[in-house]
Amino acid sequence: QKEVEQDPGPLSVPEGAIVSLNCTYSNSAFQYFMWYRQYSRKGPELLMYTYSSGNKEDGRFTAQVDKSSKYISLFIRDSQPSDSATYLCAMRDDKIIFGKGTRLHILP
Amino acid sequence: DSGVTQTPKHLITATGQRVTLRCSPRSGDLSVYWYQQSLDQGLQFLIQYYNGEERAKGNILERFSAQQFPDLHSELNLSSLELGDSALYFCASSVDADTQYFGPGTRLTVL
Repeated sequence: QKEVEQDPGPLSVPEGAIVSLNCTYSNSAFQYFMWYRQYSRKGPELLMYTYSSGNKEDGRFTAQVDKSSKYISLFIRDSQPSDSATYLCAMRDDKIIFGKGTRLHILP
Repeated sequence: DSGVTQTPKHLITATGQRVTLRCSPRSGDLSVYWYQQSLDQGLQFLIQYYNGEERAKGNILERFSAQQFPDLHSELNLSSLELGDSALYFCASSVDADTQYFGPGTRLTVL
């Protein structure tokens, strides 16, 4: 079993919809959870950072961590075409491990 | 713009050759991380330096090495290149481990 699993997509949703992106993981030692957004031909940029379980909200973005289920989510409300990108989950104990990323397309 | 710079943007070379990728971190960031991104493996952590010292090692091959200089810029050296080394190589810098700022990457093509 891979340490971090993430559906590669692509995921296509209409503009304005709520998007749900998810990752599962196997290592219960992970304490820090992150979501990065990567536009085509660019480096990843940090979107959200969460420590341990719970929710964190930043504008249209909400990150959710369920350590009991080893499951993390990123919700995007009122999705925009500019949200079209690849979203990578990441988690860390002493080293950071990235998911392979989900490609998201927001259709105008 | 993250403030992290990487050169060159693109590199095309032949198998068996050696190349050097360069990274300048954001002003004030002491940590530099190197990553390899390929379609099949995703983003893989290679190595981290903190203020000139190696701090953590990931999936870095023995043919690869890195260093961080006193001015905090870093270089990743890739030698005896193979076709499978073709990938995007990213550098990131940070103040803390969880807020990493990525550079634009170097696209390496090994022919």
